[in-house]
Amino acid sequence: EPEVTQTPSHQVTQMGQEVILRCVPISNHLYFYWYRQILGQKVEFLVSFYNNEISEKSEIFDDQFSVERPDGSNFTLKIRSTKLEDSAMYFCASSEFEELFFGEGSRLTVL
Amino acid sequence: RKEVEQDPGPFNVPEGATVAFNCTYSNSASQSFFWYRQDCRKEPKLLMSVYSSGNEDGRFTAQLNRASQYISLLIRDSKLSDSATYLCVCTTGTASKLTFGTGTRLQVTL
Repeated sequence: EPEVTQTPSHQVTQMGQEVILRCVPISNHLYFYWYRQILGQKVEFLVSFYNNEISEKSEIFDDQFSVERPDGSNFTLKIRSTKLEDSAMYFCASSEFEELFFGEGSRLTVL
Repeated sequence: RKEVEQDPGPFNVPEGATVAFNCTYSNSASQSFFWYRQDCRKEPKLLMSVYSSGNEDGRFTAQLNRASQYISLLIRDSKLSDSATYLCVCTTGTASKLTFGTGTRLQVTL
C-alpha cells in the first residue's frame, strides 16, 4: 500500500538553528500539507501546497517557515531560527481527493 | 470558543461495551466531517467520513446534525484494539485545511 514517508523520524537541534523536514508524498497525489502537534495538544494545520505553490496557510506559518517541492517527489518544510516552542511532531500529508494520508511524523526537539 | 470541541475523556470501558463520543463545531461554513483515530505518538488515520444521513461501518456509526453543528461517533462491542484517541475533524472543502478537535481518549479494558 502506498504511503507518505517522512525523514528524519526525530531531530534534536539547538535553538536558533535551521532544520529541514523532508516528506515523500504518495506519487499520484496532487495536494500536500504540513501539520504539527505539540505534545498533549491538538493537531494544527500549517500549510497546504498545490500546483507548486502555497494554497493556504495558518497564522502559525509565518516568515520563519517555508515549504518547497525541489523535485518531483520531495516536499520539504524548512524552519529557520528554531525556538523552544517549535518542539513538536510535524506531520506531512498528501491527498488526491478528500482523504488525507499522513506520514508517521518527524519529532522535532529544540534545546 | 474552540472551532471543534470534544469530550476530553478519558473513557474507560470494558470490552463489549458501547461507547459514544460527541463533538460540536463552530464554523458554519464547514462542509465535510470526519472521525480520525490516533494511536499514542502515531499519525492520525481516517476512521470514517460523516454524512448528514448517518453512516455505518461495521461496529462504528457516525451521525451529523448540521442544524445543531453536532457530530457523534458510536462504537458498539468495543475491542481492546479500539483503545486510541478519536479526533473529530472538519473542513470547509476538498483540499482545504482540516480543523481537528483535541480528541477523546478511549481505553478499553478486559
